[in-house]
Amino acid sequence: DAGITQSPRYKITETGRQVTLMCHQTWSHSYMFWYRQDLGHGLRLIYYSAAADITDKGEVPDGYVVSRSKTENFPLTLESATRSQTSVYFCASTPDTYEQYFGPGTRLTVT
Amino acid sequence: ELKVEQNPLFLSMQEGKNYTIYCNYSTTSDRLYWYRQDPGKSLESLFVLLSNGAVKQEGRLMASLDTKARLSTLHITAAVHDLSATYFCAVDNQGGSEKLVFGKGTKLTVNP
Repeated sequence: DAGITQSPRYKITETGRQVTLMCHQTWSHSYMFWYRQDLGHGLRLIYYSAAADITDKGEVPDGYVVSRSKTENFPLTLESATRSQTSVYFCASTPDTYEQYFGPGTRLTVT
Repeated sequence: ELKVEQNPLFLSMQEGKNYTIYCNYSTTSDRLYWYRQDPGKSLESLFVLLSNGAVKQEGRLMASLDTKARLSTLHITAAVHDLSATYFCAVDNQGGSEKLVFGKGTKLTVNP
């Protein structure tokens, strides 16, 4: 499928478990982003990547790890999930100087 | 640090009425975006405003940007129920990283 996809769409996990959220885009956009969306906070940037093998922290990076070995993929890993990481996670991508295109989101619940 | 404030955060209006959503930001930027989000869905791009004085219109929505005042507005004309959604503005953080800072969103409900 063309565009930007995320998997899984829904995930329930237990506190302390490692979880990886996947993001894949077919446009070969340089930039990719991970956001979390929580009531009362809007969207907050977790990590972003300007190109393969180039990543940097956003506003709320603690507890998360990213990698980008290929341009089209940008996985987000929660190394030891906590209840405060229960959220909706959105991946986005953009070519230079243009709006960001968002994936469908992953709803993560940590019990 | 760039801060983006939207107001109002909640807006309930009747069909046929006009209203404006405001987006203020704290530091210099010349790129601003408006997104729409329906409940349980992803964000959809509405407008890209790239310069001072930019105005874009799509149907009953019109967005404008005043970079000197650090203000963007999203004007709704003759609202209809289908416009019910949450609207976000996002401002480019400059520095070449393409990072955006989002406002908290305005939840719009259009009542018949």
